Amino acid sequence: EDQVTQSPEALRLQEGESSSLNCSYTVSGLRGLFWYRQDPGKGPEFLFTLYSAGEEKEKERLKATLTKKESFLHITAPKPEDSATYLCAVQARDTGGFKTIFGAGTRLFVKA
Amino acid sequence: EAQVTQNPRYLITVTGKKLTVTCSQNMNHEYMSWYRQDPGLGLRQIYYSMNVEATDKGDVPEGYKVSRKEKRNFPLILESPSPNQTSLYFCASSPRVLGSPLHFGNGTRLTVT
Repeated sequence: EDQVTQSPEALRLQEGESSSLNCSYTVSGLRGLFWYRQDPGKGPEFLFTLYSAGEEKEKERLKATLTKKESFLHITAPKPEDSATYLCAVQARDTGGFKTIFGAGTRLFVKA
Repeated sequence: EAQVTQNPRYLITVTGKKLTVTCSQNMNHEYMSWYRQDPGLGLRQIYYSMNVEATDKGDVPEGYKVSRKEKRNFPLILESPSPNQTSLYFCASSPRVLGSPLHFGNGTRLTVT
């Protein structure tokens, strides 16, 4: 069964304490892996797309990487404004077409 | 400003009373989709549309209807809401089905009593 699992469910960091969020997936025919940020009361906001193993993307304090089985979102020297829920989504081949599967998310809390 | 607009933001209703949640995008996107978000379950797709007059079921379509008569609008209809449809709903759009990120609205929190 196609599945996307994010870990940990929640992560508490001190400001400046770097860490990584994990997104592991079991799908056939990966067509893209997406990272989104979701703030309370808002819709998810796009961060990165990764298409193939070995690919990396960076934006400010965030860096996303992709292997054949998982993706990592590395957060370097986080600030309180990085507190949010981070969602991973995988787009893959499906019967008759394609589908997008979302993970349940990692809630990140960064304390000043 | 490019955006996906959902209305209403909050809705409280009673079991069996038909309701519609509207969704409109101003980016000329081909693809539109509805999701529900429940704690611990992530975003689950309800229905999607690849173009005008082309809609299809997602993973959790039971109890919902959609229509796509115009490119910009994709309303979600609950003909007879039940308490298990209490959830946070998101509409999303993208330029194409494959390889494009989704642009989300700000959500509609629905409570069915």
